[in-house]
Amino acid sequence: EAEVAQSPRYKITEKSQAVAFWCDPISGHATLYWYRQILGQGPELLVQFQDESVVDDSQLPKDRFSAERLKGVDSTLKIQPAELGDSAMYLCASSQRETQYFGPGTRLLVL
Amino acid sequence: AQRVTQPEKLLSVFKGAPVELKCNYSYSGSPELFWYVQYSRQRLQLLLRHISRESIKGFTADLNKGETSFHLKKPFAQEEDSAMYYCALSGHNYGQNFVFGPGTRLSVLP
Repeated sequence: EAEVAQSPRYKITEKSQAVAFWCDPISGHATLYWYRQILGQGPELLVQFQDESVVDDSQLPKDRFSAERLKGVDSTLKIQPAELGDSAMYLCASSQRETQYFGPGTRLLVL
Repeated sequence: AQRVTQPEKLLSVFKGAPVELKCNYSYSGSPELFWYVQYSRQRLQLLLRHISRESIKGFTADLNKGETSFHLKKPFAQEEDSAMYYCALSGHNYGQNFVFGPGTRLSVLP
């Protein structure tokens, strides 16, 4: 069964460094989502893509976060510079219709 | 603004007992509601959505627009139901935010 892939699974970085996460959605899924999940909270949508276009990035801290999906397939989420408060799980999901399929997530720790 | 609340962080029940996980929402319109579940060491996955009106693993949820609630119910809890449950909301308009609640951890005791 096809699954959403994410890498790396874990990332430790120092404050002010740059960090990047990668997501490969299920083949054929036009919609891709990036979420941030802080410990003890539900996932918070950061950005939503439809093919290569951003359709919602209202919650993305654009001064330090960027996301791209150049060919409408895989996607990269970048943080530069990382701050202590960015420590969280970063989840990617993809969907063809309403049901979202989630990846395993990337756990980020900023020291 | 869209918002989803789940008042219980932790809910413990005994095996065979009924279980109800509460979810309330605020949205100006007709949203679509979902329940997602995350079992230990597994990915977040869809449990059910209100529009399909189906029962999954014995769970059901009814959308009550008057009370703006979408509570998840199961008449007889099983130990394998122990997991983290998230209620979520999506607006019908294209580009609407998808909002998750904070989650409720269900623990089914033997």
